[in-house]
Amino acid sequence: EVQLVESGGGLVKPGGSLRLSCAASGFTFKNAWMSWVRQAPGKGLEWVGRIKNKIEGGTTDYAAPVKGRFTISRDDAKNTLYLQMNSLKTEDTAVYYCTTSLDYGDYVTFPWGQGTLVTVSS
Amino acid sequence: NFMLTQPHSVSESPGKTVAISCTRSSGSIASNYVQWFQQRPGSAPTNVIYEDNQRPSGVPDRFSGSIDSSSNSASLTISGLKTEDEADYYCQSYDSSNQVFGGGTKLTVL
Repeated sequence: EVQLVESGGGLVKPGGSLRLSCAASGFTFKNAWMSWVRQAPGKGLEWVGRIKNKIEGGTTDYAAPVKGRFTISRDDAKNTLYLQMNSLKTEDTAVYYCTTSLDYGDYVTFPWGQGTLVTVSS
Repeated sequence: NFMLTQPHSVSESPGKTVAISCTRSSGSIASNYVQWFQQRPGSAPTNVIYEDNQRPSGVPDRFSGSIDSSSNSASLTISGLKTEDEADYYCQSYDSSNQVFGGGTKLTVL
């Protein structure tokens, strides 16, 4: 069974830092492109960024609001995705989800984690 | 970057059919696949349509997807509406370096 489990959320002051983790299981993590998506309270889904697998370069892309402040990384040995968030702003308050797309040839699935809440407030 | 525009809300009666649109602001809707996600309150999103019109295992065939190049839009159609279909629905697509979500449509079944 495919599972994505986020952790590391919490309350942080504006200007502070936080690192989120996403533990993956049930699929070949090292082959997957992984993404972070967030959802502010009462708002819609917002793509945060993505990291490719190392075979395809392991490069990252970010949404404009977080570029230069957030860094996505991965540890394929630990099957874990990370989101390092620096210089946090109140508008970064959201539930953060990790997600991916898994192509099995005949079909594709899009598993999501349950999310972890980040609250940026003084 | 492009945007995906959805109606803020739609409502329909049980048993009826509803279509939710998703219009791409620039670039062809056909150039990258469109996915649709359902999100119920307090839960993570789940995929109901992928690659424009493919239905994941376990999603009822009441759910269908399509794209229309003439209007540069995608549509999610739900037929035989049930009260359990009441949820927020998001379209999603991408280009070479970004993923984009539509603003979401709240479906009310009343």
